[in-house]
Amino acid sequence: EVQLLESGGGLGQPGGSLRLSCAASGFPFSSYAMSWVRQAPGKGLEWVSGIVSSGGTTYYADSVKGRFTISRDNSKNTVSLQMNSLRAEDTAVYYCAKVITSGQLGPFHYWGQGTLVTVSS
Amino acid sequence: SYELTQPPSVSVSPGQTARITCSADGLPKQYAHWYQQKPGQAPVMVMYKDSERPSGIPERFSGSSSGTTVTLTITGVQAEDEADYYCQSADSGGSPWVFGGGTKLTVL
Repeated sequence: EVQLLESGGGLGQPGGSLRLSCAASGFPFSSYAMSWVRQAPGKGLEWVSGIVSSGGTTYYADSVKGRFTISRDNSKNTVSLQMNSLRAEDTAVYYCAKVITSGQLGPFHYWGQGTLVTVSS
Repeated sequence: SYELTQPPSVSVSPGQTARITCSADGLPKQYAHWYQQKPGQAPVMVMYKDSERPSGIPERFSGSSSGTTVTLTITGVQAEDEADYYCQSADSGGSPWVFGGGTKLTVL
């Protein structure tokens, strides 16, 4: 059974940092691209960042480029999101998501339950 | 930037057919995918590559594509189908993942 378990959410200060992690199990992690998707309170889904299976290529939404960094550790089956220079508008539930097809980018077949990030002083 | 446009809301009575559209703002059109999200829950994929249904998704869910518009159709809507629905695609010249604004399906 595929499981994605996010952690690291909480209260962050404007201008501060938080690090989110997603622990994956139930599938060959090193074969699949992974992403982070967020949802601000009462709003729609917003893709944030993605990383290919090898970790060699990363992608970012314009809204977080230069502030957030995605990485993965295929030996530990984890993907992380380092969030720096936090802003109030980064307040959201952050979901970890796994693509449907190994070795490719594409739609998200599995999602974690999400972790809430609140940016406030 | 590449945008996917969905109607904010769709309402149908139980047993009727609901159609939710997603329009891309240009060509070439990439495959589109659909997610269902109920309050307080993570999204669930209900359609991918325009018309492919993941295992476990009821047959009343179907998808189609015409030009730059894709449509998610729910035939014989049930009360449990009430949810927000999001389309997702890729910007061939940019981001591999773009979401539409979402459509709230209300079952009257």
